Amino acid sequence: EEQLVESGGGLVPPGGSLRLSCAASGFTFTSHWMSWLRQAPEKGLEWVATIKQDEREKYYLDSVKGRFTISRDNAKNLLYLQMNSLRVEDTAVYYCARGAGWYNYWGQGRLVTVSS
Amino acid sequence: QSALTQPASVSGSPGQSITISCTGSSSDIGSYNYVSWYQQHPGKAPKLLIYDVNNRPSGISNRFSGSKSGNTASLTISGLQAEDGADYYCNSYSTSSTRYVFGTGTQVTVL
Repeated sequence: EEQLVESGGGLVPPGGSLRLSCAASGFTFTSHWMSWLRQAPEKGLEWVATIKQDEREKYYLDSVKGRFTISRDNAKNLLYLQMNSLRVEDTAVYYCARGAGWYNYWGQGRLVTVSS
Repeated sequence: QSALTQPASVSGSPGQSITISCTGSSSDIGSYNYVSWYQQHPGKAPKLLIYDVNNRPSGISNRFSGSKSGNTASLTISGLQAEDGADYYCNSYSTSSTRYVFGTGTQVTVL
């Protein structure tokens, strides 16, 4: 059974850093693009970043460019999102998902709260 | 890049059909057949219903169907059931600076 399990997240002050991890299982991780998406409290979905299987292509939402970095460890079936210079407006539930453009498997989501 | 435009809410009675629209532009929906639709129940992760405009993943009921005309995509739910009450989001590839843009979301209420 395909599964994505996120970890990390929590409360961080503005300007702080946090790393999210996503463990993939039940499918061939190296065959798929992977993405991070987020949903602010009581708001809609927003795409954040996407990475190709070999990491040669990465795409970011404009508002996170230069602050967030998506990466993956294909040997360990892990996806990461390093978030630096966090802002209050980055507060959201962050989901990892399989795919680029359409996402057929999602993690359960991790809440990131940026507040002083 | 602004979000794709969806109606805030749509309602219907059990057994009826409803359609949710998703309006974009020539930079996204109008030029590419990369539209997907998601269902999200409160507190849950989204679930893929439709990809590439009108394709259903395995396991998704054929009561859900997608289409596109010009800059507008649509999701139709036929034979509405109580469990269809949820939020629905469209998504499209875009040539704007936001590579993948979501719709504003539609709350479906089953009366």
